[in-house]
Amino acid sequence: DTGVSQNPRHKITKRGQNVTFRCDPISEHNRLYWYRQTLGQGPEFLTYFQNEAQLEKSRLLSDRFSAERPKGSFSTLEIQRTEQGDSAMYLCASRGQSNQPQHFGDGTRLSIL
Amino acid sequence: AQSVTQPDIHITVSEGASLELRCNYSYGATPYLFWYVQSPGQGLQLLLKYFSGDTLVQGIKGFEAEFKRSQSSFNLRKPSVHWSDAAEYFCAVGAGTGTASKLTFGTGTRLQVTL
Repeated sequence: DTGVSQNPRHKITKRGQNVTFRCDPISEHNRLYWYRQTLGQGPEFLTYFQNEAQLEKSRLLSDRFSAERPKGSFSTLEIQRTEQGDSAMYLCASRGQSNQPQHFGDGTRLSIL
Repeated sequence: AQSVTQPDIHITVSEGASLELRCNYSYGATPYLFWYVQSPGQGLQLLLKYFSGDTLVQGIKGFEAEFKRSQSSFNLRKPSVHWSDAAEYFCAVGAGTGTASKLTFGTGTRLQVTL
């Protein structure tokens, strides 16, 4: 069990650029979640995958955001045409079978200049 | 919709003193409840969870929490705080099995420990 891995840890970009984050879940965890955390707040749910299927998306996930999990293993979160309000910590979590908690990665901190 | 309230934004305790962090939830069915801890710039580490059964649950690092359905509460306690416990603590509620079980978090309580 190597834990949930997220890359990069930090991303600084100019407004209007596209960014992509990667999440590698704990092996054999078939459920994967993305959350966003802004300063002074708790994490907010963005989207959920079971295997390769994206089963739920939050209203927070505007059309500039897209998430994929092509082979049911790692996942990517892409933000197009970044805006100042996208500055946040993006957290990934994975979970195994029922009655198991979500395990979080260390997150990717996005800063928009 | 489910929600979580953590009434205390910031708490300061002396090392060795006891600690209680409050959490109230709103959820229509039997909730799954969690406490996570976050150090600056890091992800969230699970302290403990309640799914069913005994309402007093033990977690890591000497923490415990008690589920009180009548009060819709899930308060976190520790009998003697250590300086290394200084961090942000989040209470979360999740839906049951068979669903996405996405978590809804409170806004967190920042714990400061004085020596």
